[in-house]
Amino acid sequence: KAGVTQTPRYLIKTRGQQVTLSCSPISGHRSVSWYQQTPGQGLQFLFEYFSETQRNKGNFPGRFSGRQFSNSRSEMNVSTLELGDSALYLCASSQTHWRVDTQYFGPGTRLTVL
Amino acid sequence: EDQVTQSPEALRLQEGESSSLNCSYTVSGLRGLFWYRQDPGKGPEFLFTLYSAGEEKEKERLKATLTKKESFLHITAPKPEDSATYLCAVQPRAGFGDSGGGADGLTFGKGTHLIIQP
Repeated sequence: KAGVTQTPRYLIKTRGQQVTLSCSPISGHRSVSWYQQTPGQGLQFLFEYFSETQRNKGNFPGRFSGRQFSNSRSEMNVSTLELGDSALYLCASSQTHWRVDTQYFGPGTRLTVL
Repeated sequence: EDQVTQSPEALRLQEGESSSLNCSYTVSGLRGLFWYRQDPGKGPEFLFTLYSAGEEKEKERLKATLTKKESFLHITAPKPEDSATYLCAVQPRAGFGDSGGGADGLTFGKGTHLIIQP
């Protein structure tokens, strides 16, 4: 079974721009979560989508948003990029939102903001 | 606020030298505790899920245990390929926007950077 895929793998943007990252979950998985990983803060939860609805949200500003499509694929968007948004953005999928399910991570998208 | 603290931050061992990594947590209503391994430039790779105090799980040279306040990842006779950052995460009870008792996002520790020297 194919794992979680994320595109693109690397991105370079400048301050003020916006960016869209994409995630395709493991086949059959309907829950997609997004995390930001930085050397200083480690892995931090951004939000979770299940059945095209945001179910949970971490403590990030409104510049960070996402959506999920009917095929469970998900995108996250960051508007008005800041230097501090440089990070590895990780997507994780699990079968469902309604019980404790293992989250399987993709390889991540490395975003650099100049 | 949910918190996960991992120690030590870094650990250097000789090949074959067994040791343990610690994960201390405070969380309102633990639903599950997870161990992941992360290699440089890659996403975390799932190792174990523990659900309740007293539970233990093993995989090759790794064994994870759970108490009400902490978890340990024991590494027996490690090899150089076990070198990685080991991450601990907890899944608390459902939070914002969820009225159906579903799962919340994972809260991660900062990880333990493990180096096994041949």
